[in-house]
Amino acid sequence: SYELTQPPSVSVSPGQTARITCSGDALPKQYAYWYQQKPGQAPVLVIYKDSERPSGIPERFSGSSSGTTVTLTISGVQAEDEADYYCQSADSSGTWEVFGGGTKLTVL
Amino acid sequence: EVQLVESGGGVVQPGGSLRLSCAASGFTFDDYAMHWVRQAPGKGLEWVSLISGDGGSTYYADSVKGRFTISRDNSKNSLYLQMNSLRTEDTALYYCAKQSFSSRGMDVWGQGTTVTVSS
Repeated sequence: SYELTQPPSVSVSPGQTARITCSGDALPKQYAYWYQQKPGQAPVLVIYKDSERPSGIPERFSGSSSGTTVTLTISGVQAEDEADYYCQSADSSGTWEVFGGGTKLTVL
Repeated sequence: EVQLVESGGGVVQPGGSLRLSCAASGFTFDDYAMHWVRQAPGKGLEWVSLISGDGGSTYYADSVKGRFTISRDNSKNSLYLQMNSLRTEDTALYYCAKQSFSSRGMDVWGQGTTVTVSS
């Protein structure tokens, strides 16, 4: 079965830049999506189609893609950005959706 | 306001069945594909199933294929998940989510309904 791999945790100080990666063999063929989930809340879509930002999402959130890795970048991290972040994409045939294991972002 | 409200969760014994519902409002329901996504306690998100806007196409994760059935009633703006032969590993918070019109992203989520499979 297809898997997306994320680092379990990333830590940054306020104002610094956080980068969260997601790796998968089908990522050159399939778009990636990123979700933010805070404790006790439903996930929120923060990036779609690798690098597009939905309305209402702060500009400090951006996404990029290179080969089999996509990256969520949060510039000028704020305390409120502390959350779990999940990437999502599809297998190479586009049949199944898959989530990465999630990355806990800690703001020191 | 675009809204999704799940219901139908509860406690069930292994081997039992449960039917989850998701009531949609604030958008043209049959224009959008819909997903079920679950999250086991303290764990990450797991995609469960997808249904097209007209209900004609359905897809399942291998972990639930043959046991779960996704369906929708567009006249009632409702999404369903029939869960049979439940296992302890199906214990999770189940979310319904609306797929974006222009991408596979899930742009609206409900607050979830909890399913506990335990003897």
